[in-house]
Amino acid sequence: VIWMTQSPSLLSASTGDRVTISCRMSQGISSYLAWYQQKPGKAPELLIYAASTLQSGVPSRFSGSGSGTDFTLTISCLQSEDFATYYCQQYYSFPRTFGQGTKVEIK
Amino acid sequence: EVQLVESGGGLVQPGGSLRLSCAASGFTFSSYAMSWVRQAPGKGLEWVSAISGSGGSTYYADSVKGRFTISRDNSKNTLYLQMNSLRAEDTAVYYCAKEAWSNPGGYMDVWGKGTTVTVSS
Repeated sequence: VIWMTQSPSLLSASTGDRVTISCRMSQGISSYLAWYQQKPGKAPELLIYAASTLQSGVPSRFSGSGSGTDFTLTISCLQSEDFATYYCQQYYSFPRTFGQGTKVEIK
Repeated sequence: EVQLVESGGGLVQPGGSLRLSCAASGFTFSSYAMSWVRQAPGKGLEWVSAISGSGGSTYYADSVKGRFTISRDNSKNTLYLQMNSLRAEDTAVYYCAKEAWSNPGGYMDVWGKGTTVTVSS
């Protein structure tokens, strides 16, 4: 099983801030990492796959980087609609695993 | 428009069974692997099971192996999850998700709205 450590679990920020979320793997996964956004009461939505490829329709203020064991999701200029919970997920091997989630809240 | 609609959730007693369905539309269903992902109340996401586009390959989380069975009917564009020997810890919202590739092992690019399963006496 590949364990994932996502940090921070809670991030307080203001509109316009640049925020970064980290995801660390217990073993290397190349670039087989996706990031999802989930708003309260809603299903998750895919933001980024292959560690850094933006899903169609996702604003360019979202970006992903990393490979191997360390990955980062960056939101360059936080907008009001970005306050949500973010999850990383590895698809390098089964069982698939998700990070614990990072809730981005209004400061 | 690509759409996934789950159904079949509800209240069931411990030890009971339930079958979830996921109706797909807007894409060639048989060309893509599908997954079930669940979320317990107030908790994070947990992958449950995946199936290849043909239905010939299936994968399960250890927490459900031997109790849950994933299947699909490509003629009906429908994904299923048969859940037996249900436990309180299976209480969650269950999401159906389309994978990016035909074989399981990709990321999940489209999600349904979810169906709620509550296991309680």
